[in-house]
Amino acid sequence: GQQLNQSPQSMFIQEGEDVSMNCTSSSIFNTWLWYKQDPGEGPVLLIALYKAGELTSNGRLTAQFGITRKDSFLNISASIPSDVGIYFCAGQPSNFGNEKLTFGTGTRLTIIP
Amino acid sequence: NAGVTQTPKFQVLKTGQSMTLQCAQDMNHEYMSWYRQDPGMGLRLIHYSVGAGITDQGEVPNGYNVSRSTTEDFPLRLLSAAPSQTSVYFCASKDWGYETQYFGPGTRLLVL
Repeated sequence: GQQLNQSPQSMFIQEGEDVSMNCTSSSIFNTWLWYKQDPGEGPVLLIALYKAGELTSNGRLTAQFGITRKDSFLNISASIPSDVGIYFCAGQPSNFGNEKLTFGTGTRLTIIP
Repeated sequence: NAGVTQTPKFQVLKTGQSMTLQCAQDMNHEYMSWYRQDPGMGLRLIHYSVGAGITDQGEVPNGYNVSRSTTEDFPLRLLSAAPSQTSVYFCASKDWGYETQYFGPGTRLLVL
């Protein structure tokens, strides 16, 4: 089955730094989603994107839907300790929310004291 | 609202044993699904259901069975556990037509 490639696989940053990560696919998706997974928990939806070129923010998080529809990007500004976790992208072929998601391999974010 | 609940939280099985992972949601969601999460692999869809009495296979269905007799419950059965099924299993539910999937806390399974 298809997997989305996320990079980087892991990041070690200091508190206050900005973070950028991306997700690429060999197929086109019409919905891109970004999830965060805290240790020992299930993933939680952060941002949903529905249109090529769309830029959407949720607090300090900003995500973009790539214009080729084969990639998406997530930025976190001024990182804080609670940002630690694994970030997953997910793609869906349609905008209707009724189709199966394909998840990325995840980016693990660690904040160095 | 308890959301999505999963039991057990941890389980150790011997090869060949069978067991059922329980999943329940109290949000009246039509769509429920099971994923497995392995290191470096993200989440992969095992089985899903679009309503009571309707199930379908996902990306990695072999070795797993599901049924959906009620809207609330969606159990996942391992018929004969194998070491390759060692993983973390997540159940999720969502409203039909919406993107937001609500995930349970996961079941960590070790097959020896």
